[in-house]
Amino acid sequence: KQEVTQIPAALSVPEGENLVLNCSFTDSAIYNLQWFRQDPGKGLTSLLLIQSSQREQTSGRLNASLDKSSGRSTLYIAASQPGDSATYLCAVRDAGNMLTFGGGTRLMVKP
Amino acid sequence: DTGVSQNPRHKITKRGQNVTFRCDPISEHNRLYWYRQTLGQGPEFLTYFQNEAQLEKSRLLSDRFSAERPKGSFSTLEIQRTEQGDSAMYLCASSRLTSSGNTIYFGEGSWLTVV
Repeated sequence: KQEVTQIPAALSVPEGENLVLNCSFTDSAIYNLQWFRQDPGKGLTSLLLIQSSQREQTSGRLNASLDKSSGRSTLYIAASQPGDSATYLCAVRDAGNMLTFGGGTRLMVKP
Repeated sequence: DTGVSQNPRHKITKRGQNVTFRCDPISEHNRLYWYRQTLGQGPEFLTYFQNEAQLEKSRLLSDRFSAERPKGSFSTLEIQRTEQGDSAMYLCASSRLTSSGNTIYFGEGSWLTVV
């Protein structure tokens, strides 16, 4: 059974810092990995999708990397802003159509 | 795209009552998913449709839960004889396979509180 772990569970940083969120998964036979953002009480917003054959994806200040063999992904956020405060979730998709989610990292960026 | 739409957004019900949630996926998305999320946890998979066919069901989907997608467009999730443990946010998502992959898009969720 696939298990996804996100570290740290919570993170508080001052505005402007670059930061890294970590995601690890136990079964490397994944189809893709997706990073999401979730604001309190809201649904999930897709940030980046990395196919199993890819090493990284970039969108604006966000960069996600994938090392499938070691079962790890990182989400790098450059020049963090208070508006980045949210919970960040990673999810892996196996050969089926089910996403397995980590518990999320709650990020607080202080002005 | 107008996004994935879910209704109602909030539902408070008494234990033992039945509730139904509706999901309208992004148009032309043939894949539809239901997930459940409790506070402080990541979402957990419930079920998956491709067009009108329900292809996957989680063990979390007990006999009291039923999902349908009768015409391959909108979907409903019904919970019968609700229990307090059913209190959660029910998330719907949709996707379609493209050359860029299979990005899954989520709705805003439907909050269920069973009292």
